[in-house]
Amino acid sequence: QKEVEQDPGPLSVPEGAIVSLNCTYSNSAFQYFMWYRQYSRKGPELLMYTYSSGNKEDGRFTAQVDKSSKYISLFIRDSQPSDSATYLCAMSARWETSGSRLTFGEGTQLTVNP
Amino acid sequence: ETGVTQTPRHLVMGMTNKKSLKCEQHLGHNAMYWYKQSAKKPLELMFVYNFKEQTENNSVPSRFSPECPNSSHLFLHLHTLQPEDSALYLCASSQVQGLAGGGEQFFGPGTRLTVL
Repeated sequence: QKEVEQDPGPLSVPEGAIVSLNCTYSNSAFQYFMWYRQYSRKGPELLMYTYSSGNKEDGRFTAQVDKSSKYISLFIRDSQPSDSATYLCAMSARWETSGSRLTFGEGTQLTVNP
Repeated sequence: ETGVTQTPRHLVMGMTNKKSLKCEQHLGHNAMYWYKQSAKKPLELMFVYNFKEQTENNSVPSRFSPECPNSSHLFLHLHTLQPEDSALYLCASSQVQGLAGGGEQFFGPGTRLTVL
């Protein structure tokens, strides 16, 4: 069983739709959760970062963490064609003094159609 | 230059060649990482360096040899690679702050490597 499960998609939505991206995980020690966005031929870009359970909002993006269910989500409101990318979830048990250890999901490929 | 830069962006090499990938971070971070990204697979952590010291080698074959001369530069030396090593190689950096939080990783654009 993978430590982090993420539906690879592809996911295709019309412009303006609300997008929901999800990851589940099995390691109950994870407490730092991140979402990265990766455009084609580019490196991953940090989008959202949350610690423990709860919600975090940044513009059109909302990250949710439910540690009791081992489930995290990223919502994109009023999606735009420029949101078309692969979205990677990543998580960590704690920040090691020797460098952070992130476990990534496979990534979900999203296309927002004009 | 800002953020994390990587050169070259594309590399094609034969199985007997020797080449090197270069990464430079302009963020003042103290930890650097090499990842391998293959199609339909999660990012695979290869190496971790903290303050120039290697702190993790994730069972990477010896045909990959990392070098970290200082906190801003990271190299990945390649020799006698196999076709299955073709992938996007990503470099990342972070600021280690002990257990006080932080540590988010910032990535470079990657080097697309093709081994013939």
